[in-house]
Amino acid sequence: GQQLNQSPQSMFIQEGEDVSMNCTSSSIFNTWLWYKQDPGEGPVLLIALYKAGELTSNGRLTAQFGITRKDSFLNISASIPSDVGIYFCAGQLGGANSKLTFGKGITLSVRP
Amino acid sequence: GAVVSQHPSWVICKSGTSVKIECRSLDFQATTMFWYRQFPKQSLMLMATSNEGSKATYEQGVEKDKFLINHASLTLSTLTVTSAHPEDSSFYICSAISGGRAADTQYFGPGTRLTVL
Repeated sequence: GQQLNQSPQSMFIQEGEDVSMNCTSSSIFNTWLWYKQDPGEGPVLLIALYKAGELTSNGRLTAQFGITRKDSFLNISASIPSDVGIYFCAGQLGGANSKLTFGKGITLSVRP
Repeated sequence: GAVVSQHPSWVICKSGTSVKIECRSLDFQATTMFWYRQFPKQSLMLMATSNEGSKATYEQGVEKDKFLINHASLTLSTLTVTSAHPEDSSFYICSAISGGRAADTQYFGPGTRLTVL
């Protein structure tokens, strides 16, 4: 099925650094979501975006819904070791019960 | 946030046997639940959409007779892997829709690791 584009597959940063992740699609979505998954666990919702241009923060995380509705980015500021994990973006086109389309995920490593 | 649980968290079974995985929404009613499968180092792939009281909608390529889904109540959906084979070994994750402002978001369970010997 369709997937969103996330690259690179892995990112390595130093503790305290900021990091930005991008997610792009060839088609538009009405909702963009960012999830974090730890090994052996289910994804945990970080930020949900419902409107083109929307910029939303959750602690050290900031995400934006692209104006074209075909992209979104997630910023993590002042990274800490527990930020390690896999970050997935997901797009949703329909209403509340419509399915999500996931990106392949970016594995983030944080060096102490 | 909304809480979704899965049981069991892991299971090992012999080839040819059937395995049932439960997904529960603990603090909200979920009219729709989703079942995903995730292979190592890969993304989540949607298997089926489960609506309470009706038949599940399966994604293309997912065998409905092999992956039986029952959504008998607003807080419980089950996935039964019938006649499991080693290639069915995977991480199975469910999600559920909660209402209100987060109506468009899905909350995920912790996943079930299935290993078929």
